[in-house]
Amino acid sequence: AQKVTQAQTEISVVEKEDVTLDCVYETRDTTYYLFWYKQPPSGELVFLIRRNSFDEQNEISGRYSWNFQKSTSSFNFTITASQVVDSAVYFCALSENSNTGKLIFGQGTTLQVKP
Amino acid sequence: DTGVSQNPRHKITKRGQNVTFRCDPISEHNRLYWYRQTLGQGPEFLTYFQNEAQLEKSRLLSDRFSAERPKGSFSTLEIQRTEQGDSAMYLCASSLSWSSDEQYFGPGTRLTVT
Repeated sequence: AQKVTQAQTEISVVEKEDVTLDCVYETRDTTYYLFWYKQPPSGELVFLIRRNSFDEQNEISGRYSWNFQKSTSSFNFTITASQVVDSAVYFCALSENSNTGKLIFGQGTTLQVKP
Repeated sequence: DTGVSQNPRHKITKRGQNVTFRCDPISEHNRLYWYRQTLGQGPEFLTYFQNEAQLEKSRLLSDRFSAERPKGSFSTLEIQRTEQGDSAMYLCASSLSWSSDEQYFGPGTRLTVT
């Protein structure tokens, strides 16, 4: 069965610190897609990144970077030089290679960045 | 592109009443999804439409729940005979055409059943 685990429930850092959010997934499919979403206090989920299972290249977008390791079934997210505006709940999600495209979400990690 | 919109944003109802929520997806998006999110949890899939066809429903969607997407544009989610356990945030998302396309979420409708 497909499953996403975000073991870190809450993380608190001081501004400018680097922080890594962990995501471990389970799936029997060989083709699948991984996503990260941000849910700020306003509540609306914001899409951050999509990765397919055949592309293990790490990706960097500004202060954000993602490390996909198929061997450990992990898709970790790092924020460099964190800012107060990064405070939010971050969700990792998995979509298997089905016609539906439904997302299976982890429980989320609440990140608090203190000034 | 105005994004996904949902109405109402908040709904308070008494147990046993019926409620209906509306979702307007991004205009060129063919796929539309409903999810439910309870406090401290990630969203859970409820149902999915490809254009006007409802192609999958989760076991979470009891007989009291029904969803429609007439003409493949906006969608409605109705809950009949609401129960306190239905209290949650109901999220709508849309995506272009493929199952692998990223989904864009609306702001949600927060339902409180008293």
